[in-house]
Amino acid sequence: EAGVAQSPRYKIIEKRQSVAFWCNPISGHATLYWYQQILGQGPKLLIQFQNNGVVDDSQLPKDRFSAERLKGVDSTLKIQPAKLEDSAVYLCASSLGFSGNTIYFGEGSWLTVV
Amino acid sequence: EDQVTQSPEALRLQEGESSSLNCSYTVSGLRGLFWYRQDPGKGPEFLFTLYSAGEEKEKERLKATLTKKESFLHITAPKPEDSATYLCAVQASLNGLTFGKGTHLIIQP
Repeated sequence: EAGVAQSPRYKIIEKRQSVAFWCNPISGHATLYWYQQILGQGPKLLIQFQNNGVVDDSQLPKDRFSAERLKGVDSTLKIQPAKLEDSAVYLCASSLGFSGNTIYFGEGSWLTVV
Repeated sequence: EDQVTQSPEALRLQEGESSSLNCSYTVSGLRGLFWYRQDPGKGPEFLFTLYSAGEEKEKERLKATLTKKESFLHITAPKPEDSATYLCAVQASLNGLTFGKGTHLIIQP
């Protein structure tokens, strides 16, 4: 079974530029998550989708971050304009449902803002 | 607010030296407590889910247990390939996971 796919794996941009990350969840998984992991910290939830609807985006910095999940499958996370403190790994994850189901993570997209 | 605290932050063991990692949590309405393993440059890899106090699960040299306030990840006779960061997370209600900072485990041959 294919896992959660993410791209690009690595990205270096200058501050104030924009960047987009793409995620393809495990087939059949209705719930999709984006997490931010800063070096030395545990992952922090940014946004949670159930099919193509947003369940929780309370920790998403909406002045610069946006995310969408068109057609309830793939998802894109965008940052514009980027700040130095956005340097982190952006992890996409998916699960069958959203209550007690196993959540599977992708390999992550590493962002460095210089 | 859900909180997860893991200890110790780092642990160095000799090969074969058993030990335990701790995960203390406060959450309203626990739906599940999750353990993940994360290798450098990789995403978290699922290990276990525990749902209720008293539950235990095992996988090879790892055993996870759960009480109403904490969970333990016991590592028996570890090998160098068990070296990784171990993450604990809780899920409450319909929300995503709240993670601790992890325990960085090093097993020396």
